[in-house]
Parts: sequence; C-alpha cells; structure tokens
Amino acid sequence: QKEVEQNSGPLSVPEGAIASLNCTYSDRVSQSFFWYRQYSGKSPELIMSIYSNGDKEDGRFTAQLNKASQYVSLLIRDSQPSDSATYLCAVNSGGSNYKLTFGKGTLLTVNP
Amino acid sequence: GAVVSQHPSRVICKSGTSVKIECRSLDFQATTMFWYRQFPKQSLMLMATSNEGSKATYEQGVEKDKFLINHASLTLSTLTVTSAHPEDSSFYICSAREQLAGNYNEQFFGPGTRLTVL
Repeated sequence: QKEVEQNSGPLSVPEGAIASLNCTYSDRVSQSFFWYRQYSGKSPELIMSIYSNGDKEDGRFTAQLNKASQYVSLLIRDSQPSDSATYLCAVNSGGSNYKLTFGKGTLLTVNP
Repeated sequence: GAVVSQHPSRVICKSGTSVKIECRSLDFQATTMFWYRQFPKQSLMLMATSNEGSKATYEQGVEKDKFLINHASLTLSTLTVTSAHPEDSSFYICSAREQLAGNYNEQFFGPGTRLTVL
C-alpha cells in the first residue's frame, strides 16, 4: 500500500525563522511530488511541485527532493504568521488517472 | 490560471433529501476530476475519480449508488449525495487535473462545499 508520512506537528516557529517540513513516501516509482497549504476551513492550495532530484525555489518556498531516500521537504524562509496552516505532502505514483496519495499534514504555527 | 469553482459553497438539508454539488474548471480543460471528503481535523479522503464521458472509479468503501458522479464535459463534474443522512455531513472538495505541455498533472482544488444534514 502506498504511504506518505508526515510529522503531524504542531510545528511552531517564530516569525522570520525558517520552517522545515518533511515527508517520506513508500512507493519507489513515484514520479511527481506536491506541497499543498490548507488553512482551517478552506480547501488545499497548491504551492509547490517538484519532479527532479534537487532543490526548487519559488519565492520564500524551497522544495527539496531526494528520490534515493524517498524524501521530500519544504522550507519556508522568513516565516510569517500568515503561513500558519496545515501543509499537505502529496505524491503522484503514476497510473492512468494520476491519483495523489496525501500525507496527513503538518500543522505549522508561526508566532509573531 | 487553473481555477476550479464549486457550487454551492454551503448547503443545509433535511435527512433523506438529495444534494447536488457542481465542480467546474474555469480556464482549462480537466482530463480528470477527483472528489474528496474531509471530516473535521482529518486528512483528505479520496472518494472517486472521474474522467469525462466515462463512469467514475470509486475508492474502496465508497457507495457508488449513494454518491453519484457525472462528468459530462471537460469542464464540469457533479456529485450527487442521494438520500443524505447526518453522517454524510462533511466538507466535500473537488479537484481537477490539468494536462498541458510541460505540466506534470498538477491537481487544483475547488473551494469546497460544506454539507450539513439535519
């Protein structure tokens, strides 16, 4: 069974710090990886996609992928209180419909 | 780009009634649409996958006769909760998969529909 594991948190960081969110996955043939942000009571919002080993940067966000270790992470630099949310890691293992397998999410709190 | 809408955003109904939820991709054609359910403080649960013009594929444990899915066009999918009961009260969210050159099948979520069955 395909699994995506995340620390449930809560992860608490002070404003301006770097928040580091981690995710591991079990399916070695997984092809693409996504980070979603979900505010309480709202639907998930795609913030990062990554497909190749290494780092991908977009503004304050950096996604890191290591397929050999089956590990993907999200770094948030200069964390802001508005970054407080649950972050969902999702993995696409292929197949004709490209279903995503989601982790249970990590709750991040950024303290002013 | 990649905007997905859902309607209604919130619905309250009596037990035994049916509720239809619409999911639309506004600025792209969605090869596949997905329907999820999320209970408070729990993770997303995939209910079914639908492709335009074909029958939906339901996840194990999801009653296909209770949750009717229609995907009549590349921009519209509907979920009908038939004979709703209080235990069906949940947050229903659709997503759509966009497939364009250089895109790796990202899924974009609608804003969700909060269903309360009295």
